[in-house]
Parts: sequence; C-alpha cells; structure tokens
Amino acid sequence: AQRVTQPEKLLSVFKGAPVELKCNYSYSGSPELFWYVQYSRQRLQLLLRHISRESIKGFTADLNKGETSFHLKKPFAQEEDSAMYYCALYGSGGYQKVTFGTGTKLQVIP
Amino acid sequence: GAGVSQTPSNKVTEKGKYVELRCDPISGHTALYWYRQSLGQGPEFLIYFQGTGAADDSGLPNDRFFAVRPEGSVSTLKIQRTERGDSAVYLCASSNRPYNEQFFGPGTRLTVL
Repeated sequence: AQRVTQPEKLLSVFKGAPVELKCNYSYSGSPELFWYVQYSRQRLQLLLRHISRESIKGFTADLNKGETSFHLKKPFAQEEDSAMYYCALYGSGGYQKVTFGTGTKLQVIP
Repeated sequence: GAGVSQTPSNKVTEKGKYVELRCDPISGHTALYWYRQSLGQGPEFLIYFQGTGAADDSGLPNDRFFAVRPEGSVSTLKIQRTERGDSAVYLCASSNRPYNEQFFGPGTRLTVL
C-alpha cells in the first residue's frame, strides 16, 4: 500500500523566515513524488517534482529514500507563498494510483 | 488555451438519487484522473483512465460509483443511490502522459441531502 503523511495541518512563519513543509511516504516500489499547491480561490497546480530537481518560486525538495521523505523547503518565505501544499506519490509497476497527503496550510505572517 | 473544465460546478441532490459529473480534459491529454476531496483532506484517488480504458479503478469506494470515457476525451463519473457520505468536491485532472504534471479542473461540489 502507498501512503503519504504530512504531519502538520498548519504552519505559520514570519515573512523572511525559512520554511520546511514535511512529507513522508510509504511505498514498496520506486516512488515518483510531487508537490502540488493550491492558492486561495485557485485550482490545484503542480509546484515541483522530484525528478526535475529544479527550484520553483524558490522552493526545492529532495527525495531522501533512506528516510522516505520529500520535504519542501524555501530559505525565505514570502507572503505570496501562503497556500495549501499537498505532497503526492504516483504509483508505478502497472498501477497508476496517485496518493495525496492531507495537506499543510502555509501561512506567512507579514 | 482552455484548461480542464467540470460541470456542474455545484450539484445538490437527495439521498438515493443518481448523479452524473462531467469532466472535459485538455485537448490531447490521454491520461485522466478522478479524485474526491472531503473537507480538511487531500484529494482521494478514485480512478485513472489512459485513453478510453480505466487503467486503475482501485480507488472507487464501491459499486455505486462508475466512470466512463468512451471516446478518450470527455469523462463522466456516475454515482448511483447517492448517500450523505458521498458529499464532497469531485476533482478531475488530465495529463499528457502518466507521471507527468496533472492539470486540475475547478471541481464539482456535490451535496447529498
């Protein structure tokens, strides 16, 4: 079974402070992991995926297979980063099930 | 270009009724996903289509739920004998191939009274 855990429902940080949104996963195969974001009154949209290894809007995420984690990080939070963030795991091996975490609401305080 | 669209945006029905929710994916996207999102939860996978066929329907909660995509584009999620517990936002997403970025629709908010 595949499982994604986001332990924090709400994370409040001050503008300019570092941000780390936690994501842990459980999966027996080789995981494909993504971060999706939903800004207020907007649709869910992709933020980044682990295989691209790129920085989007200053966010990065590293897949740590040893710790089965895919934490999202940003060195300096901006007010426009306030949103819901979801970690997602795509299944493989012939099954395409996608499992989302419960989400973390990031609130950046001015 | 046009994104994923879903109709209706809101649907209120009575317990025991039948409902159909429609998804229009981005043109040319072969992969289509349905999710259900309850308050305070992340999207819960229901079914994945690759073309016309359901490649993975392991997320459908029971046999009251059924989805089709007869021509490989528009998809319809069908719920029979609705129950109050079916109340949620139903999301559709499409992708140009598996493991790629999913583009989400605005969702259909279903309320079963």
